[in-house]
Amino acid sequence: DQQVKQNSPSLSVQEGRISILNCDYTNSMFDYFLWYKKYPAEGPTFLISISSIKDKNEDGRFTVFLNKSAKHLSLHIVPSQPGDSAVYFCAASAMGAGGKLIFGQGTELSVKP
Amino acid sequence: NAGVTQTPKFQVLKTGQSMTLQCAQDMNHEYMSWYRQDPGMGLRLIHYSVGAGITDQGEVPNGYNVSRSTTEDFPLRLLSAAPSQTSVYFCASSYSIPLGPNYGYTFGSGTRLTVV
Repeated sequence: DQQVKQNSPSLSVQEGRISILNCDYTNSMFDYFLWYKKYPAEGPTFLISISSIKDKNEDGRFTVFLNKSAKHLSLHIVPSQPGDSAVYFCAASAMGAGGKLIFGQGTELSVKP
Repeated sequence: NAGVTQTPKFQVLKTGQSMTLQCAQDMNHEYMSWYRQDPGMGLRLIHYSVGAGITDQGEVPNGYNVSRSTTEDFPLRLLSAAPSQTSVYFCASSYSIPLGPNYGYTFGSGTRLTVV
């Protein structure tokens, strides 16, 4: 029972264009959402997050949008750069769940020059 | 400041063997977790801990044991390894509930385990 789902295993984008990575969740108790980035042979690193009381959070080239009614969030990268090529994981947590952070399957982004 | 240190980086086990994956952090973090990463499955939570002496099960706890006798260490034990446990294992820690940039999980670089 996958509570956090990333249905696109891979995405290829041209350098300079927008990358949109999507994530769906099923647990309505989730109240905080995070995106992590992972390069090969390294651990994931935190990228950006959003609280359920907001619908948008922006940090430089990265923006996360949250649609609570649809239980959907997305990560926008504008403009995309070759160094953005990595696996992106969506994750969710609930305040009442202690330290449990539930991840999606990941989307491999390839940004081509 | 070493962050989260996992040892070993690579390990090959025979079916039925036991071993312990080590995880240590030097950031005085209360929250620690173990994840496994498998193709198409993403990162799945095995066990987590909210402080010394306190552990709880995650999404896929079967076949794994943990203990948290100190704040710094959170070892993961495989009692009788099975081929289904072939995976990349990540340990992570956080100062508090892992929500947001100041409290998000810091991950180790992983242990690649193969069970034959």
